[in-house]
Amino acid sequence: DAMVIQNPRYQVTQFGKPVTLSCSQTLNHNVMYWYQQKSSQAPKLLFHYYDKDFNNEADTPDNFQSRRPNTSFCFLDIRSPGLGDAAMYLCATSRDPTELYNEQFFGPGTRLTVL
Amino acid sequence: AQTVTQSQPEMSVQEAETVTLSCTYDTSESDYYLFWYKQPPSRQMILVIRQEAYKQQNATENRFSVNFQKAAKSFSLKISDSQLGDAAMYFCAYRSGSVFMRFGAGTRLTVKP
Repeated sequence: DAMVIQNPRYQVTQFGKPVTLSCSQTLNHNVMYWYQQKSSQAPKLLFHYYDKDFNNEADTPDNFQSRRPNTSFCFLDIRSPGLGDAAMYLCATSRDPTELYNEQFFGPGTRLTVL
Repeated sequence: AQTVTQSQPEMSVQEAETVTLSCTYDTSESDYYLFWYKQPPSRQMILVIRQEAYKQQNATENRFSVNFQKAAKSFSLKISDSQLGDAAMYFCAYRSGSVFMRFGAGTRLTVKP
């Protein structure tokens, strides 16, 4: 089945130690998104890639970076995790973002713990 | 700025009964879509139903239907004949040309057998 895969499902890191979360998709979608979801809160869009074009949300901290080496893979890098970065990180994909009706397909998320 | 508000943090329903989840939004845009997503425990979020702002007819998908009141900026989700598998977090979301996806805070639905 076509899907969005996130690895690992659970990640523990230390305060200030860089960490990378990965996402892959078999849907061949143009767009890949990264969301941060803290407990009992709405998922918050961090950034997205439309093909190779990177689009950062205005309020995404510089501590968060992303890479998309090819259509299938996208990575979220947190350069110096703080305690406030502990959250669920969701990856999503969609087709042409200019079509408003296109739904986003989500992965199961990676829960990040910062010690 | 476009905002999405879900005023019910938690709801519960008896199996086979009907429940309505509320969502209101604020926008000055005329062209947008509204979505309801379901996030079961420890599983990925999936689309339940979507509604185009220009369509007056309310969307329906099997047991799921919406009540879209554009003037009131209201977009509620009705789940009929609730099943145990409907237990999840439900997120209302807004999408437009300037907003890729803005979610509400969610409503946790419990289904009682």
